[in-house]
Amino acid sequence: SAVISQKPSRDICQRGTSLTIQCQVDSQVTMMFWYRQQPGQSLTLIATANQGSEATYESGFVIDKFPISRPNLTFSTLTVSNMSPEDSSIYLCSVTSGGAGETQYFGPGTRLLVL
Amino acid sequence: AQSVSQHNHHVILSEAASLELGCNYSYGGTVNLFWYVQYPGQHLQLLLKYFSGDPLVKGIKGFEAEFIKSKFSFNLRKPSVQWSDTAEYFCAVNALIRGKLIFGQGTELSVKP
Repeated sequence: SAVISQKPSRDICQRGTSLTIQCQVDSQVTMMFWYRQQPGQSLTLIATANQGSEATYESGFVIDKFPISRPNLTFSTLTVSNMSPEDSSIYLCSVTSGGAGETQYFGPGTRLLVL
Repeated sequence: AQSVSQHNHHVILSEAASLELGCNYSYGGTVNLFWYVQYPGQHLQLLLKYFSGDPLVKGIKGFEAEFIKSKFSFNLRKPSVQWSDTAEYFCAVNALIRGKLIFGQGTELSVKP
């Protein structure tokens, strides 16, 4: 399986600011995904990061709030914009080398606290 | 809407006890099924998966799961748990027509030494 790293691993931010989270994979992958895990809850898919085109967002998530980039097959970023305390979560990226139904492998996550 | 239900939020067992964690999903079409585990302080790891074939699948660390299509279930089992199995366990389902992975709420397993 691919080795996935995320930066930063954790951060404390002030409301109204933005944070960009990076996801780096040690090999080329077909699909990259961004998830949110709010305190005490399960993982929720934010969007699918598509290489060379705009990300595909799930219901309840919008590009203005969570802009995503994917400049190549090994890297993606997620920005959490204009943050509020409700954005305090763990943000995870995952990857798959196959199609959308294939096994996803997860990064270590970024733990975000918004004050 | 497609959903995944894990019946137990927190399970506490003594070492050597048997484990069964329930998982049910609501989608009627073709699915791929997964169990992930998150040990304390570690990231989410794949425990086992089912795509097709033998509905009884074996994963790492002695875990197995059985897919029962008629019951829309994919329960996780282990005959004898160890203290090191203390972790949170997530069931996830991918409805292939949508290509989206849906997670259950997770079950926290605590194993007493």
